Amino acid sequence: GQSLEQPSEVTAVEGAIVQINCTYQTSGFYGLSWYQQHDGGAPTFLSYNALDGLEETGRFSSFLSRSDSYGYLLLQELQMKDSASYFCAGGEGDDKIIFGKGTRLHILP
Amino acid sequence: DVKVTQSSRYLVKRTGEKVFLECVQDMDHENMFWYRQDPGLGLRLIYFSYDVKMKEKGDIPEGYSVSREKKERFSLILESASTNQTSMYLCASSKGQRFYGYTFGSGTRLTVV
Repeated sequence: GQSLEQPSEVTAVEGAIVQINCTYQTSGFYGLSWYQQHDGGAPTFLSYNALDGLEETGRFSSFLSRSDSYGYLLLQELQMKDSASYFCAGGEGDDKIIFGKGTRLHILP
Repeated sequence: DVKVTQSSRYLVKRTGEKVFLECVQDMDHENMFWYRQDPGLGLRLIYFSYDVKMKEKGDIPEGYSVSREKKERFSLILESASTNQTSMYLCASSKGQRFYGYTFGSGTRLTVV
């Protein structure tokens, strides 16, 4: 079946760097995107990788390796406000995307 | 500020009722989606639409239908609400056939009693 796998929880310290991994099995893969969701809020789009390599947006970076069916989201200089759930999402052959189950990021002061 | 607006933040309905969840976007996006989000299950696609009057089933369409009479509006209908449809419902939209990011509404938390 088609799926995206990511860890259910990750814990890191304020000011540090954390990496959230995502491996996928989807047909007709078009690219990997990442979303952030705070408790009670809607998911918000963070980044998209259509090609292999690293995309940087401020403190957040995202990486994709199509040959390894793998990507990650890298968060630098962690702040308490980064405590949230992070979802990877990938395109399927019929142009709709599916989501991973999400990684809950806990940040310790 | 562009956005996706869902008509209700919280809803409580009785088993067997017909329920309408409305979603409106002001970004002239072609694509619109309905997801439900449940703890431990992530976001699951119910229905989506690429154009007016067009609809496609997602991964869990059973018990749901949709309507898209205008480009900006996408409605989710629960024909006969059941308790297992208690969930957070999220509407999203995107531009074009390649997904460069969805914009989500704030969600409707539906409780069926």
